[in-house]
Amino acid sequence: AQSVSQHNHHVILSEAASLELGCNYSYGGTVNLFWYVQYPGQHLQLLLKYFSGDPLVKGIKGFEAEFIKSKFSFNLRKPSVQWSDTAEYFCAVNAGGGYNKLIFGAGTRLAVHP
Amino acid sequence: EPEVTQTPSHQVTQMGQEVILRCVPISNHLYFYWYRQILGQKVEFLVSFYNNEISEKSEIFDDQFSVERPDGSNFTLKIRSTKLEDSAMYFCASSEGQGTQYFGPGTRLLVL
Repeated sequence: AQSVSQHNHHVILSEAASLELGCNYSYGGTVNLFWYVQYPGQHLQLLLKYFSGDPLVKGIKGFEAEFIKSKFSFNLRKPSVQWSDTAEYFCAVNAGGGYNKLIFGAGTRLAVHP
Repeated sequence: EPEVTQTPSHQVTQMGQEVILRCVPISNHLYFYWYRQILGQKVEFLVSFYNNEISEKSEIFDDQFSVERPDGSNFTLKIRSTKLEDSAMYFCASSEGQGTQYFGPGTRLLVL
């Protein structure tokens, strides 16, 4: 069965620290990959996505992610986090076509201290 | 910017009662979804809907669940006889068809 693993459940950083959140998926075919963010009290928002092309994708708010097909990974990065990045981050995979279900990882709760 | 909206934001119900959760997808979207997130657990897919029929459903989506698009704008999830374990946050999502799903703010359902 398809699955998504996020390695870190809780991450605590100071402002200006660099961030990398791991995401691995298990599926042998073509995938679409997503990172969603959920700020406190808000709904899931799309941070960035990968469908095809350049494996390094840039999203909103300075986030980027790199798709490494050989490692089945799609890690999220940000060179310098801000307090406002405090949120829960979800990696998700859409396998097998444009309108199929999203399979989510368990989420990583990020707390950034000023 | 268009958004997916959901009502109510919170719903408290007694076990065995029927609930209807409502969603208004983004107007030009054609694919609609329901997901749920039990407290402390992953966001789980329930059902996808396209062209007035279910296109895919998960094991969770049993006979107690149904979806409907009663008019041109609403998309509803009905739980016929709620159980304690149905307590969760229910998210509606919609997409134009190319994979990016846009989520609503969710309805927090509490079954007592």
